Amino acid sequence: GAGVSQSPSNKVTEKGKDVELRCDPISGHTALYWYRQSLGQGLEFLIYFQGNSAPDKSGLPSDRFSAERTGGSVSTLTIQRTQQEDSAVYLCASSFGGRTGELFFGEGSRLTVL
Amino acid sequence: RKEVEQDPGPFNVPEGATVAFNCTYSNSASQSFFWYRQDCRKEPKLLMSVYSSGNEDGRFTAQLNRASQYISLLIRDSKLSDSATYLCVVSYSSASKIIFGSGTRLSIRP
Repeated sequence: GAGVSQSPSNKVTEKGKDVELRCDPISGHTALYWYRQSLGQGLEFLIYFQGNSAPDKSGLPSDRFSAERTGGSVSTLTIQRTQQEDSAVYLCASSFGGRTGELFFGEGSRLTVL
Repeated sequence: RKEVEQDPGPFNVPEGATVAFNCTYSNSASQSFFWYRQDCRKEPKLLMSVYSSGNEDGRFTAQLNRASQYISLLIRDSKLSDSATYLCVVSYSSASKIIFGSGTRLSIRP
């Protein structure tokens, strides 16, 4: 498809398990962002990738969270030893580098930690 | 204090009404401004950019006041389909710094 693709769309896991969330950005978009949105809340910035530059990880809430982007395209967000407060919708967005603020979002991965 | 603040609402107005809401930002280094729309359980989508001179897109008008550090969105002749959450977005010269407000909920009633 032409849009940002995220998988899985829904994930239910038990506390303490690790999860991986995947994002496939729009082809040609050099910038990729991960945000987290809890129920009824705004978007919380997690991490940003731009081309081959070092990622901006300043929004990651703890060292249980990590992300990588392979080949400048697909990105994986990993949450280790999940906690109930990690339950949220994880949104990935991409943009054509240099046009800040014009983000194209995927439909998100809804994570529920029991 | 949050970097971007919005009145959470909800704003509940009749169809056809004009509604406006503001957003304030705290960092004067902010360079670009946007309004996004988010429907219930959907991803945010860009509604419009906000330019220094103000700009219109159909029934929507956005304005920026750099001196007072706020932006506004005006919706005229509101439609039922305008019901959504409107997110104020501020970005800086560093593309990684894109901050979303918590959103203002708008509900249009018949």
